[in-house]
Amino acid sequence: QVQLVESGGGLVKPGGSLRLSCAASGFTFSDYYMSWIRQAPGKGLEWVSYISSSGSTIYYADSVKGRFTISRDNAKNSLYLQMNSLRAEDTAVYYCARVSLLGDDYWGQGTLVTVSS
Amino acid sequence: EIVLTQSPATLSLSPGERATLSCRASQSVSSYLAWYQQKPGQAPRLLIYDASNRATGIPARFSGSGSGTDFTLTISSLEPEDFAVYYCQQRSNWPNRTFGPGTKVDIK
Repeated sequence: QVQLVESGGGLVKPGGSLRLSCAASGFTFSDYYMSWIRQAPGKGLEWVSYISSSGSTIYYADSVKGRFTISRDNAKNSLYLQMNSLRAEDTAVYYCARVSLLGDDYWGQGTLVTVSS
Repeated sequence: EIVLTQSPATLSLSPGERATLSCRASQSVSSYLAWYQQKPGQAPRLLIYDASNRATGIPARFSGSGSGTDFTLTISSLEPEDFAVYYCQQRSNWPNRTFGPGTKVDIK
């Protein structure tokens, strides 16, 4: 069955960096776009970034453009999000999700990123 | 940017009752609208895609309808496990696939 497992979250000071990882299994990872979606505490969902199946096409939300970098390693069935210049408003649970024609059809359990001094 | 508005913000109902949730888009999204369910402490789960198609494993009591700017998610008879937050999402404006703010269905 499809599984997505995020890791790498934690507490970081404003201006700091963090790298999130998402390990995928149960499907042909290299066939799918992947996404990062976040949810601030008690708030709604916000898409952060998408990456094409080959990694050649990438999109970012304006709120993270220039600070976050999405990447993937299809040989390792892994998705990454490098987050730099973190701000308090980046505090959220970060989910990785598989993107299909149906929507974001499978999600990981999420990893919490807290930006605070 | 396409803005999605959901109403009501909270819906208080009893098990067995019918739930009707609304999602309105600021411009037409054709039928490119999905619904997700999120329970406390869990990731969202895809329920409905392309406005009216149930995702794999979703019970028949969940149905979606609409096109253009107005959409509805209906739960025909609420089960205890259906009390959750429901989000709509449009995929018409790729890649900016915005979500609505959510409707919480809680127990009356």
